[in-house]
Amino acid sequence: GAVVSQHPSWVICKSGTSVKIECRSLDFQATTMFWYRQFPKQSLMLMATSNEGSKATYEQGVEKDKFLINHASLTLSTLTVTSAHPEDSSFYICSASGGLVYNEQFFGPGTRLTVL
Amino acid sequence: KQEVTQIPAALSVPEGENLVLNCSFTDSAIYNLQWFRQDPGKGLTSLLLIQSSQREQTSGRLNASLDKSSGRSTLYIAASQPGDSATYLCAASGTYKYIFGTGTRLKVLA
Repeated sequence: GAVVSQHPSWVICKSGTSVKIECRSLDFQATTMFWYRQFPKQSLMLMATSNEGSKATYEQGVEKDKFLINHASLTLSTLTVTSAHPEDSSFYICSASGGLVYNEQFFGPGTRLTVL
Repeated sequence: KQEVTQIPAALSVPEGENLVLNCSFTDSAIYNLQWFRQDPGKGLTSLLLIQSSQREQTSGRLNASLDKSSGRSTLYIAASQPGDSATYLCAASGTYKYIFGTGTRLKVLA
């Protein structure tokens, strides 16, 4: 089946630093990758959509200068949280599409970010 | 704008019961409806995906149905087990993105 990995699985950083999260599609080429954020006891909220080689499309209310997304290849997308603050602490999940079923997304295991 | 709602928000049942989780969506123009399971602190596990041309999908003790015209999907879990305890999320797939429901937290008591 289609497998998506994320690295790291968890990260703790100091306020003001930047953190990069990687999302990889391991056994298929992902035409589109998505980044979601999930706060405790809440559902997933889409942050941005990225296509390989193109600029990401951000959802309303998501600061593109704070959450930098790079989709340099068909198997790798990165999310960089710049100048992280405690309110950025959350569970970040990526997904990738490009399988046989149109629009089906395959989800990574998530990255727990804690900003002190 | 698509909105997805799940009822109930939380459910606690004794082991062995059959149960139904509900998912409602406001825009019937969807490509897929997918059900996921999420354990505490973990990522999503895909359970069933129903394409818009399909009415239902089955996997083991799970059965999911889709009625696009009424904007509803149900997830049926037969003979529930304590290991089924988790949060269940449905997601409606539009042109390019998923909109997730609010989730149902299920607890199956031994």
